[in-house]
Amino acid sequence: AQSVTQLDSQVPVFEEAPVELRCNYSSSVSVYLFWYVQYPNQGLQLLLKYLSGSTLVKGINGFEAEFNKSQTSFHLRKPSVHISDTAEYFCAVRRTNTDKLIFGTGTRLQVFP
Amino acid sequence: DAGVIQSPRHEVTEMGQEVTLRCKPISGHNSLFWYRQTMMRGLELLIYFNNNVPIDDSGMPEDRFSAKMPNASFSTLKIQPSEPRDSAVYFCASRPGQGEETQYFGPGTRLLVL
Repeated sequence: AQSVTQLDSQVPVFEEAPVELRCNYSSSVSVYLFWYVQYPNQGLQLLLKYLSGSTLVKGINGFEAEFNKSQTSFHLRKPSVHISDTAEYFCAVRRTNTDKLIFGTGTRLQVFP
Repeated sequence: DAGVIQSPRHEVTEMGQEVTLRCKPISGHNSLFWYRQTMMRGLELLIYFNNNVPIDDSGMPEDRFSAKMPNASFSTLKIQPSEPRDSAVYFCASRPGQGEETQYFGPGTRLLVL
C-alpha cells in the first residue's frame, strides 16, 4: 500500500528566509508525486508534479521539489518566502497504474514579517 | 473558465437530515473526484468517476453516503441520514482525462451537522 508522510505539521519561518517542507512516501511500484497548496477557505491548487525525467521539478510561485528515489523523498523548497506563502501544503502520491491520489497530512507554513 | 463549482459553500443541518452536495466539473473534463477533509483524518478520497461511471467507491465511509454522476457536467454526493461525525469540508475535483495528471479542485462545501 502507498503512504505519504509529512513529518512537520507546522513550519514557522521569517519572510525572505529559505524553507524546506519534507515529504516521504512508501510504495513498491512506480509513482507520480505532487505538491498542492491550500490557502485559507479555498480548495487545493497544484504547485508542481513529478511524472518522469529530471528529478528537479520547478513549480509556480518560485517553489521547486526534488525527487529522490533512493530516499523515497520529494521535499519542497523555496529560497526566499513571502508573507503570501502562508498556507497549508500537501504532498500527494499516485501509483502510475491507478487514478487514486493519496495525500499526506499537510504542513502549515507560517511566514512572519 | 469558471473552474470547478460546488454548492452550497456552507451547510448547517441537524442530525438525521438528508444532505446533498453538488459539483459542476470543468467543461470537457472526463474524471471527477469527491474528497473529504477533516482535522483528524486529513484529505480522503471518497469516490471517483471516469466518463460518468463510478470507478472506485472504496473510500465511501458507509451506506449513508451515495454519489451519482448523471451526466458529464453534474455530480452529487448525498448523506442520508447525516450524523455529527460527517461534519467536514467536502471537495470536488475534476481532471481533463486519463493521461493528464492534474486534478483541479473546487472551493469545497463546509458541512456542519448538529
